[in-house]
Amino acid sequence: GEDVEQSLFLSVREGDSSVINCTYTDSSSTYLYWYKQEPGAGLQLLTYIFSNMDMKQDQRLTVLLNKKDKHLSLRIADTQTGDSAIYFCAESMEYGNKLVFGAGTILRVKS
Amino acid sequence: EPEVTQTPSHQVTQMGQEVILRCVPISNHLYFYWYRQILGQKVEFLVSFYNNEISEKSEIFDDQFSVERPDGSNFTLKIRSTKLEDSAMYFCASSEGFRGGETQYFGPGTRLLVL
Repeated sequence: GEDVEQSLFLSVREGDSSVINCTYTDSSSTYLYWYKQEPGAGLQLLTYIFSNMDMKQDQRLTVLLNKKDKHLSLRIADTQTGDSAIYFCAESMEYGNKLVFGAGTILRVKS
Repeated sequence: EPEVTQTPSHQVTQMGQEVILRCVPISNHLYFYWYRQILGQKVEFLVSFYNNEISEKSEIFDDQFSVERPDGSNFTLKIRSTKLEDSAMYFCASSEGFRGGETQYFGPGTRLLVL
């Protein structure tokens, strides 16, 4: 079945890089996503990667996908205090678009 | 920037009561979703909706739940007889299309507490 796992908490200093990790079990996953949730707000899509890609970069965000190990990571360069939030990894199939989420990683950025 | 809105932001109800959670999806979107997150647990898919029909639903979405698009703008989730375990944050989302990779835009959520 589908399952997505994440570490629960990450603390970094402002200016450092953050790496948030995620593992998933369903090898038929086609799209993998990173969502961000700030306090009191909804889930904001940060980026997604198609399963035939290894890497995707978007400004300060780098997504790495190891399909063999079913491992996804999100690297945030030059982490800022405004990056403090909960980050959710999610997967979906090609059709149907149901998102399967991990439990979320709380990122705390210390100034 | 267009956004998904949800009302109310918080709702407290007694066990056995009916609740209706409301959502206004982004206006040109055709696909609508409900998810929920029980405190401390994962965000879970409940249901997807297109063309006035349920497209997919999870095991959680039993006969106590229903969805409706009563007019051209609202999308509602009704829980007929709430249970304590229905206490959760409920998120509405919408997307233009239904293929994987289509961005789902989420609302801020409604926190439901069943006493």
